Amino acid sequence: SQKIEQNSEALNIQEGKTATLTCNYTNYSPAYLQWYRQDPGRGPVFLLLIRENEKEKRKERLKVTFDTTLKQSLFHITASQPADSATYLCALGSQYSSASKIIFGSGTRLSIRP
Amino acid sequence: DVKVTQSSRYLVKRTGEKVFLECVQDMDHENMFWYRQDPGLGLRLIYFSYDVKMKEKGDIPEGYSVSREKKERFSLILESASTNQTSMYLCASSPRGTGERNTIYFGEGSWLTVV
Repeated sequence: SQKIEQNSEALNIQEGKTATLTCNYTNYSPAYLQWYRQDPGRGPVFLLLIRENEKEKRKERLKVTFDTTLKQSLFHITASQPADSATYLCALGSQYSSASKIIFGSGTRLSIRP
Repeated sequence: DVKVTQSSRYLVKRTGEKVFLECVQDMDHENMFWYRQDPGLGLRLIYFSYDVKMKEKGDIPEGYSVSREKKERFSLILESASTNQTSMYLCASSPRGTGERNTIYFGEGSWLTVV
């Protein structure tokens, strides 16, 4: 069965550094990966999507990579700020399936200390 | 702006009560979802609806039912609430289609405590 894992439950880094979050998956192809941000007590908000045939995608200070050999996506926040503190979820979907088949990781809680 | 609105943010119900969680979306999306989110378990799909009156069971449908009488509205019903249904419930919607059209828009969540 398909499986998606976010390796770190929590990540704590210094303001200004680059935060890197990892998402690994198995038994899913072709695929796209989505990243969502979730603030405490709120619903997740979509940030970025990367397709399997894309190596990298950027949006402002965010960068996502997709390595289909390793079956892994990395999510980077450069020049991190305390306001970036949140839980980040990755989600895996197939190009040929509906949104009901998207599976979510359990999230990485990112804390940026001043 | 995309909007999914859940009617109740916080509820406390007694064991055995029937509970209704209501959700409305204003994006004219065909798909609507109910998830529950528990620490360490991530988001789990309870039910999915792809059209009015149409529904599919998700990963954990036991103890729940749903109703979609209008396109914009999707209700989750706990027939007889139990303490193990204490959780955060998230309603969501997305446009019909596959692949990149499957961006999911979430509501703010409903925190349900069953005592």
